[in-house]
Amino acid sequence: DAKTTQPNSMESNEEEPVHLPCNHSTISGTDYIHWYRQLPSQGPEYVIHGLTSNVNNRMASLAIAEDRKSSTLILHRATLRDAAVYYCILRDTWGAGGTSYGKLTFGQGTILTVHP
Amino acid sequence: NAGVTQTPKFRVLKTGQSMTLLCAQDMNHEYMYWYRQDPGMGLRLIHYSVGEGTTAKGEVPDGYNVSRLKKQNFLLGLESAAPSQTSVYFCASSYGAGASYEQYFGPGTRLTVT
Repeated sequence: DAKTTQPNSMESNEEEPVHLPCNHSTISGTDYIHWYRQLPSQGPEYVIHGLTSNVNNRMASLAIAEDRKSSTLILHRATLRDAAVYYCILRDTWGAGGTSYGKLTFGQGTILTVHP
Repeated sequence: NAGVTQTPKFRVLKTGQSMTLLCAQDMNHEYMYWYRQDPGMGLRLIHYSVGEGTTAKGEVPDGYNVSRLKKQNFLLGLESAAPSQTSVYFCASSYGAGASYEQYFGPGTRLTVT
């Protein structure tokens, strides 16, 4: 599986933008970049995903480098509710034996602390 | 639309006891997954299903069994619980397995085996 590298932790102030980086230098041409987050004592929550172009949704924006070896999740105005662990994941569709099953591989993620 | 639900939310078992964790989704998803999460570690895939009546092993399947008799339900069983199975268990579902599909997770079941 292609691996991702994220900072262990980041801090932000409420209502300020947050840029969460992710390096994925071994990404393959067909890997999608997914971001999930996990709030304390909750299950992971899908945030956004993209392939080559920048993406926006109601939760965040995803900026993908032209060479696709890195990406940045952007929270435009952080709130206290955004304090969570953020995971950058390269979506691996094919399992052993060539069977498609869509495994998600979670790394350590980035712990985001938001200060009031 | 409840999404993905899990029961129970908490459970304490003694070594050697058995139990079944239930996952239900109301999104008509084909794919369902069971993960476990241990302190300081990422989620690890236990078993998965690519459709009703099918199941397959993930990364850490030992000590667990699963069944998918109905499309909306995915059951995870522990036949003889061990302290090493103390963990938080998450169920997830997805419309497809392609790289562009997202997974939806349940709230988790916190299991302690003493």
